[in-house]
Amino acid sequence: AQSVSQHNHHVILSEAASLELGCNYSYGGTVNLFWYVQYPGQHLQLLLKYFSGDPLVKGIKGFEAEFIKSKFSFNLRKPSVQWSDTAEYFCAVATVTGTYKYIFGTGTRLKVLA
Amino acid sequence: DGGITQSPKYLFRKEGQNVTLSCEQNLNHDAMYWYRQDPGQGLRLIYYSQIVNDFQKGDIAEGYSVSREKKESFPLTVTSAQKNPTAFYLCASSIGALGAGYTFGSGTRLTVV
Repeated sequence: AQSVSQHNHHVILSEAASLELGCNYSYGGTVNLFWYVQYPGQHLQLLLKYFSGDPLVKGIKGFEAEFIKSKFSFNLRKPSVQWSDTAEYFCAVATVTGTYKYIFGTGTRLKVLA
Repeated sequence: DGGITQSPKYLFRKEGQNVTLSCEQNLNHDAMYWYRQDPGQGLRLIYYSQIVNDFQKGDIAEGYSVSREKKESFPLTVTSAQKNPTAFYLCASSIGALGAGYTFGSGTRLTVV
């Protein structure tokens, strides 16, 4: 069965530290890849997405993610986190198999200490 | 402003009662979805609908039902058959089948007592 794994469930960083959140998926076909963010008390919102082309994609608020097809990975990065990045981050994969379906990872809770 | 409206934000029901959660969008999106969010389990797909009058079961459809009589509306009924209904329910929509990304509603927290 298709799945998405986010290995870090809780991450605590100090401001200005670098961030990398792992995301791996299991599916051999064509995929669209997403990172969503849920700030405390707010809607889930799209951070960035990859459909095709340059495997390094840039999103909002200084986030970027790199698609490595050979590793089935789509890790999220930010060079220097801020206190306002405290949120829960979800990786999602859309498999294109006739009827499409999104699969979400279990989420990573990031806490940034001021 | 375009968006998705979920109501109510908080809902309390007695065990054994059916309850319907509302989801309305004015984005003219074709596809709509219902997810359940539980701590440590991420988002799990309950039902989705790609067009009006058509919907498919997701991964955890048992104990739930939906309808899609209008493009704008995708209500979810949590029936008494759902064994663990207390959860946070999220509605989402997207433009089309290949996934331009979801727009999410603000969610409904259902508590069954």
